[in-house]
Amino acid sequence: QQQVKQSPQSLIVQKGGISIINCAYENTAFDYFPWYQQFPGKGPALLIAIRPDVSEKKEGRFTISFNKSAKQFSLHIMDSQPGDSATYFCAASSDGAGNQFYFGTGTSLTVIP
Amino acid sequence: DTEVTQTPKHLVMGMTNKKSLKCEQHMGHRAMYWYKQKAKKPPELMFVYSYEKLSINESVPSRFSPECPNSSLLNLHLHALQPEDSALYLCASSQVRDRQGDGYTFGSGTRLTVV
Repeated sequence: QQQVKQSPQSLIVQKGGISIINCAYENTAFDYFPWYQQFPGKGPALLIAIRPDVSEKKEGRFTISFNKSAKQFSLHIMDSQPGDSATYFCAASSDGAGNQFYFGTGTSLTVIP
Repeated sequence: DTEVTQTPKHLVMGMTNKKSLKCEQHMGHRAMYWYKQKAKKPPELMFVYSYEKLSINESVPSRFSPECPNSSLLNLHLHALQPEDSALYLCASSQVRDRQGDGYTFGSGTRLTVV
């Protein structure tokens, strides 16, 4: 059973546009929601993360929007650049032993010049 | 540069070989993980060491054997692997209960090919 559902599977955006990736979860015990960026042949890198006590977090061009009642969160990439082309994974975890993370299925983002 | 170091970066092994993957972190993290990632798929959790206590994903076959010599080192011993085990193997570490920084730090991975 997929704990975190992610969409779209792939996304093509023009340079300068806004990229939006959505995730949804069911387990209300989740209290930490990170986004990871992965380039081919590399490990995922933590991009930005949010906790349920805030509805939005912004770091540079990256913003997470969080809707606790809808159990949804999304990543917005403003002014998308070709260098943002990568696979993005959302994830969720609860404060349990070992900090197990549940990953979404990933979104392949291509930013065209 | 990643703060989680994995060696080797690439490994080709036959189905009768025994090999080991190594992972090291010096961030003082007390949880370390092995993940397996197939192309265009999310990472799948294999093993967790939290305060050097092992938790196992029961779907992982016994031909994979983890070892945690100390809180900074993590090994994955491989024996009698199958071609379908070819994947990117990722090591990660994290604080266990630090609510200020619960994100994983991943290594760059070992690209394993079983022939």
